[in-house]
Amino acid sequence: EVQLLESGGGLVQPGGSLRLSCAASGFTFSSYAMTWVRQAPGKGLEWVSALRSSGDGTYYADSVKGRFTISRDNSKNTLYLQLSGLRVEDTAVYYCAKDYVRSSDSWGQGTLVTVSS
Amino acid sequence: QSALTQPASVSGSPGQSIAISCTGTSSDVGGYNYVSWYQQHPGKAPKLMIYDVSNRPSGVSNRFSGSKSGNTASLTISGLQAEDEADYYCSSYTSSSTYVFGTGTKVTVL
Repeated sequence: EVQLLESGGGLVQPGGSLRLSCAASGFTFSSYAMTWVRQAPGKGLEWVSALRSSGDGTYYADSVKGRFTISRDNSKNTLYLQLSGLRVEDTAVYYCAKDYVRSSDSWGQGTLVTVSS
Repeated sequence: QSALTQPASVSGSPGQSIAISCTGTSSDVGGYNYVSWYQQHPGKAPKLMIYDVSNRPSGVSNRFSGSKSGNTASLTISGLQAEDEADYYCSSYTSSSTYVFGTGTKVTVL
Protein backbone atom coordinates (compact mmCIF):
# COMPACT_ATOMS: atom_id res chain seq x y z
CA GLU A 1 0.00 0.00 0.00
CA VAL A 2 1.34 3.41 -1.00
CA GLN A 3 1.87 5.72 1.96
CA LEU A 4 3.00 9.34 1.92
CA LEU A 5 3.60 11.13 5.21
CA GLU A 6 4.30 14.85 5.22
CA SER A 7 5.97 16.64 8.12
CA GLY A 8 7.72 19.88 8.92
CA GLY A 9 4.80 22.29 8.86
CA GLY A 10 4.24 24.90 11.53
CA LEU A 11 3.99 28.58 12.34
CA VAL A 12 6.62 30.85 10.81
CA GLN A 13 6.98 34.61 10.51
CA PRO A 14 6.86 36.41 7.16
CA GLY A 15 10.25 36.21 5.49
CA GLY A 16 11.09 33.02 7.35
CA SER A 17 12.01 29.55 6.13
CA LEU A 18 10.79 26.01 6.62
CA ARG A 19 11.61 22.59 5.16
CA LEU A 20 8.84 20.14 4.49
CA SER A 21 9.48 16.41 4.19
CA CYS A 22 7.42 13.63 2.64
CA ALA A 23 8.33 10.07 3.64
CA ALA A 24 7.25 7.54 1.05
CA SER A 25 6.65 3.80 1.35
CA GLY A 26 4.85 0.99 -0.44
CA PHE A 27 6.28 1.68 -3.90
CA THR A 28 9.63 2.09 -5.66
CA PHE A 29 10.13 5.75 -4.80
CA SER A 30 13.10 6.23 -7.14
CA SER A 31 10.98 5.31 -10.17
CA TYR A 32 8.36 8.02 -9.84
CA ALA A 33 8.18 11.77 -10.29
CA MET A 34 6.74 13.54 -7.27
CA THR A 35 4.69 16.69 -6.80
CA TRP A 36 3.78 19.23 -4.13
CA VAL A 37 0.30 20.78 -4.14
CA ARG A 38 -1.04 23.26 -1.62
CA GLN A 39 -4.47 24.38 -0.47
CA ALA A 40 -5.04 27.62 1.40
CA PRO A 41 -7.73 27.46 4.11
CA GLY A 42 -11.14 27.27 2.47
CA LYS A 43 -9.64 27.62 -1.02
CA GLY A 44 -8.90 25.41 -4.00
CA LEU A 45 -5.91 23.31 -4.94
CA GLU A 46 -2.78 24.98 -6.29
CA TRP A 47 0.01 23.07 -8.03
CA VAL A 48 3.36 24.12 -6.50
CA SER A 49 6.28 22.07 -7.80
CA ALA A 50 7.33 18.77 -9.32
CA LEU A 51 10.53 16.76 -9.60
CA ARG A 52 11.50 13.94 -11.92
CA SER A 53 12.33 10.51 -10.55
CA SER A 54 16.08 10.94 -11.05
CA GLY A 55 16.14 14.28 -9.26
CA ASP A 56 16.97 16.32 -12.33
CA GLY A 57 14.23 18.34 -13.94
CA THR A 58 12.52 20.62 -11.45
CA TYR A 59 9.38 22.61 -12.14
CA TYR A 60 7.75 25.43 -10.18
CA ALA A 61 4.62 27.55 -10.21
CA ASP A 62 5.34 31.21 -10.91
CA SER A 63 4.02 32.07 -7.44
CA VAL A 64 6.87 30.20 -5.72
CA LYS A 65 9.68 30.28 -8.27
CA GLY A 66 12.89 31.59 -6.74
CA ARG A 67 11.61 31.06 -3.19
CA PHE A 68 10.86 27.33 -2.96
CA THR A 69 13.21 24.45 -3.80
CA ILE A 70 12.11 20.88 -4.40
CA SER A 71 14.51 17.98 -3.90
CA ARG A 72 14.56 14.28 -3.10
CA ASP A 73 16.77 11.67 -1.49
CA ASN A 74 16.03 8.36 -3.21
CA SER A 75 18.19 6.51 -0.67
CA LYS A 76 15.84 7.70 2.08
CA ASN A 77 12.61 7.51 0.06
CA THR A 78 11.97 11.12 0.96
CA LEU A 79 10.79 14.19 -0.92
CA TYR A 80 11.54 17.69 0.34
CA LEU A 81 10.30 21.21 -0.21
CA GLN A 82 12.44 24.06 1.11
CA LEU A 83 10.33 27.15 1.65
CA SER A 84 12.04 30.52 2.02
CA GLY A 85 10.99 34.14 1.80
CA LEU A 86 7.63 33.03 3.12
CA ARG A 87 4.62 35.30 2.69
CA VAL A 88 1.24 35.38 4.40
CA GLU A 89 -0.30 34.07 1.17
CA ASP A 90 1.83 30.91 1.41
CA THR A 91 -0.32 29.80 4.35
CA ALA A 92 -1.81 26.47 3.28
CA VAL A 93 -1.92 22.73 3.74
CA TYR A 94 0.90 21.28 1.67
CA TYR A 95 0.35 17.86 0.11
CA CYS A 96 2.91 15.63 -1.52
CA ALA A 97 1.69 13.32 -4.25
CA LYS A 98 3.03 10.45 -6.34
CA ASP A 99 2.84 11.02 -10.07
CA TYR A 100 1.01 8.68 -12.44
CA VAL A 101 0.64 9.32 -16.15
CA ARG A 102 0.50 13.13 -15.95
CA SER A 103 -1.63 13.05 -12.82
CA SER A 104 -1.23 12.25 -9.12
CA ASP A 105 -2.64 8.94 -7.97
CA SER A 106 -1.59 8.89 -4.32
CA TRP A 107 -1.60 11.76 -1.84
CA GLY A 108 -0.46 12.30 1.72
CA GLN A 109 -2.70 13.82 4.37
CA GLY A 110 -0.87 17.15 4.23
CA THR A 111 1.05 19.39 6.59
CA LEU A 112 -0.13 22.87 7.56
CA VAL A 113 2.14 25.86 7.07
CA THR A 114 1.00 29.09 8.72
CA VAL A 115 2.81 32.31 7.91
CA SER A 116 1.93 35.02 10.39
CA SER A 117 3.55 37.62 12.61
CA GLN B 1 -0.69 30.60 -15.09
CA SER B 2 -4.36 31.30 -14.47
CA ALA B 3 -6.58 28.66 -12.89
CA LEU B 4 -8.88 26.71 -15.17
CA THR B 5 -12.50 27.81 -14.96
CA GLN B 6 -15.07 25.54 -13.33
CA PRO B 7 -18.64 26.29 -12.16
CA ALA B 8 -18.70 27.02 -8.43
CA SER B 9 -21.47 24.52 -7.78
CA VAL B 10 -23.49 21.80 -9.45
CA SER B 11 -26.35 19.86 -7.91
CA GLY B 12 -28.53 16.91 -8.77
CA SER B 13 -30.91 14.39 -7.28
CA PRO B 14 -29.92 10.81 -6.52
CA GLY B 15 -29.83 8.74 -9.68
CA GLN B 16 -29.48 11.71 -11.99
CA SER B 17 -26.46 12.58 -14.12
CA ILE B 18 -24.50 15.80 -13.78
CA ALA B 19 -21.62 17.30 -15.74
CA ILE B 20 -18.84 19.60 -14.56
CA SER B 21 -17.02 21.72 -17.11
CA CYS B 22 -13.39 22.82 -17.00
CA THR B 23 -12.37 25.57 -19.41
CA GLY B 24 -8.80 26.52 -20.21
CA THR B 25 -6.83 27.64 -23.23
CA SER B 26 -4.90 26.16 -26.12
CA SER B 27 -1.82 26.29 -23.86
CA ASP B 28 -3.26 23.81 -21.40
CA VAL B 29 -6.56 21.92 -21.80
CA GLY B 30 -6.78 22.41 -25.54
CA GLY B 31 -3.16 21.60 -26.24
CA TYR B 32 -2.75 18.27 -24.48
CA ASN B 33 -4.75 15.18 -23.60
CA TYR B 34 -3.44 15.41 -20.06
CA VAL B 35 -6.53 16.47 -18.12
CA SER B 36 -7.21 14.82 -14.80
CA TRP B 37 -10.03 15.10 -12.27
CA TYR B 38 -9.89 14.87 -8.48
CA GLN B 39 -12.54 14.36 -5.82
CA GLN B 40 -12.03 15.89 -2.39
CA HIS B 41 -14.23 15.32 0.63
CA PRO B 42 -14.03 17.87 3.49
CA GLY B 43 -10.85 17.52 5.50
CA LYS B 44 -9.50 14.78 3.25
CA ALA B 45 -6.78 14.55 0.64
CA PRO B 46 -7.80 14.65 -3.03
CA LYS B 47 -8.49 11.39 -4.85
CA LEU B 48 -7.71 10.81 -8.53
CA MET B 49 -10.88 9.99 -10.47
CA ILE B 50 -9.89 10.47 -14.14
CA TYR B 51 -6.55 10.82 -15.91
CA ASP B 52 -5.60 11.52 -19.52
CA VAL B 53 -9.04 13.07 -20.19
CA SER B 54 -11.09 9.89 -19.99
CA ASN B 55 -9.24 7.08 -18.21
CA ARG B 56 -10.33 5.74 -14.84
CA PRO B 57 -7.78 4.44 -12.33
CA SER B 58 -8.38 1.01 -10.94
CA GLY B 59 -11.07 1.07 -8.27
CA VAL B 60 -12.90 4.17 -9.47
CA SER B 61 -16.56 3.61 -10.26
CA ASN B 62 -17.56 3.54 -13.93
CA ARG B 63 -20.22 6.10 -13.02
CA PHE B 64 -17.44 8.66 -13.49
CA SER B 65 -16.43 9.54 -17.05
CA GLY B 66 -14.40 12.27 -18.71
CA SER B 67 -14.27 13.93 -22.10
CA LYS B 68 -12.79 16.93 -23.86
CA SER B 69 -13.72 19.20 -26.73
CA GLY B 70 -11.42 22.02 -27.72
CA ASN B 71 -10.39 24.00 -24.66
CA THR B 72 -13.07 22.53 -22.41
CA ALA B 73 -12.98 19.24 -20.53
CA SER B 74 -15.91 17.70 -18.71
CA LEU B 75 -16.50 15.24 -15.90
CA THR B 76 -19.80 13.41 -15.90
CA ILE B 77 -21.17 11.60 -12.87
CA SER B 78 -24.04 9.27 -13.70
CA GLY B 79 -26.38 7.62 -11.21
CA LEU B 80 -25.56 10.30 -8.64
CA GLN B 81 -25.17 8.96 -5.11
CA ALA B 82 -24.97 10.67 -1.72
CA GLU B 83 -21.30 9.69 -1.41
CA ASP B 84 -20.52 11.71 -4.54
CA GLU B 85 -21.15 14.94 -2.64
CA ALA B 86 -17.70 16.56 -2.56
CA ASP B 87 -15.50 19.15 -4.23
CA TYR B 88 -14.15 18.30 -7.68
CA TYR B 89 -11.07 19.78 -9.34
CA CYS B 90 -9.76 19.45 -12.86
CA SER B 91 -6.07 19.73 -13.66
CA SER B 92 -4.14 20.09 -16.90
CA TYR B 93 -0.56 19.92 -18.08
CA THR B 94 0.57 23.23 -19.59
CA SER B 95 2.95 24.46 -22.28
CA SER B 96 5.28 25.68 -19.50
CA SER B 97 5.82 22.06 -18.38
CA THR B 98 3.83 22.81 -15.25
CA TYR B 99 0.31 21.94 -14.16
CA VAL B 100 -2.70 24.07 -13.35
CA PHE B 101 -5.80 23.22 -11.34
CA GLY B 102 -9.34 24.36 -11.88
CA THR B 103 -11.18 26.67 -9.52
CA GLY B 104 -13.13 23.76 -8.08
CA THR B 105 -16.79 22.71 -8.13
CA LYS B 106 -18.92 21.80 -5.14
CA VAL B 107 -21.28 18.95 -6.00
CA THR B 108 -24.43 18.76 -3.89
CA VAL B 109 -26.74 15.75 -3.90
CA LEU B 110 -30.24 17.03 -3.25
